Amino acid sequence: AQTVTQSQPEMSVQEAETVTLSCTYDTSENNYYLFWYKQPPSRQMILVIRQEAYKQQNATENRFSVNFQKAAKSFSLKISDSQLGDTAMYFCAFMSPRGTSYDKVIFGPGTSLSVIP
Amino acid sequence: ETGVTQTPRHLVMGMTNKKSLKCEQHLGHNAMYWYKQSAKKPLELMFVYNFKEQTENNSVPSRFSPECPNSSHLFLHLHTLQPEDSALYLCASSQGGNSPGCSFGSGTRLTVV
Repeated sequence: AQTVTQSQPEMSVQEAETVTLSCTYDTSENNYYLFWYKQPPSRQMILVIRQEAYKQQNATENRFSVNFQKAAKSFSLKISDSQLGDTAMYFCAFMSPRGTSYDKVIFGPGTSLSVIP
Repeated sequence: ETGVTQTPRHLVMGMTNKKSLKCEQHLGHNAMYWYKQSAKKPLELMFVYNFKEQTENNSVPSRFSPECPNSSHLFLHLHTLQPEDSALYLCASSQGGNSPGCSFGSGTRLTVV
């Protein structure tokens, strides 16, 4: 069974600084997807970034980028130029394609990030 | 606005009550999901519906009864719940294929008293 681990329950960062959130996962599969979701106090779970395991290039979305280390089963999220609106819970998630048209996403326990003015 | 709407936003119910949670997606997705989010626990997948057919039921107690009348609507019927069922219930939808990943609603905060 796949598992997702986030070892940092809480983190804080000064506004405009850079922060990295850690995530490791366990799977025996070779092809899969990894995600970072953000859940602000509004409770809306928002997809931040997505990485396909067969792509070696790290995904980037504006200020958000990942460091994907497939052999180490590590998938960290780097947030550059942190903004107050980045304050949220961040969830790392894993999905193994099932050859079907629906997704079964497994979530980690989350990291609570606070951006300090 | 992500295209997935959940109502009500908050719900308080007694253990003998019957209530329903509603989810509607405006994204044209074919799959819909119920997740349970409890304090200090990872999100738990409860049910998956794909093209209106239930494809996953992760050992959820029968006091939770899902209904999917069409690909755009999903309900979670609740009856004789327990206080430990208090949680945030999140609905999600996805298209699968070349766009993996789910779009979520804002959830219903359920409190069982």
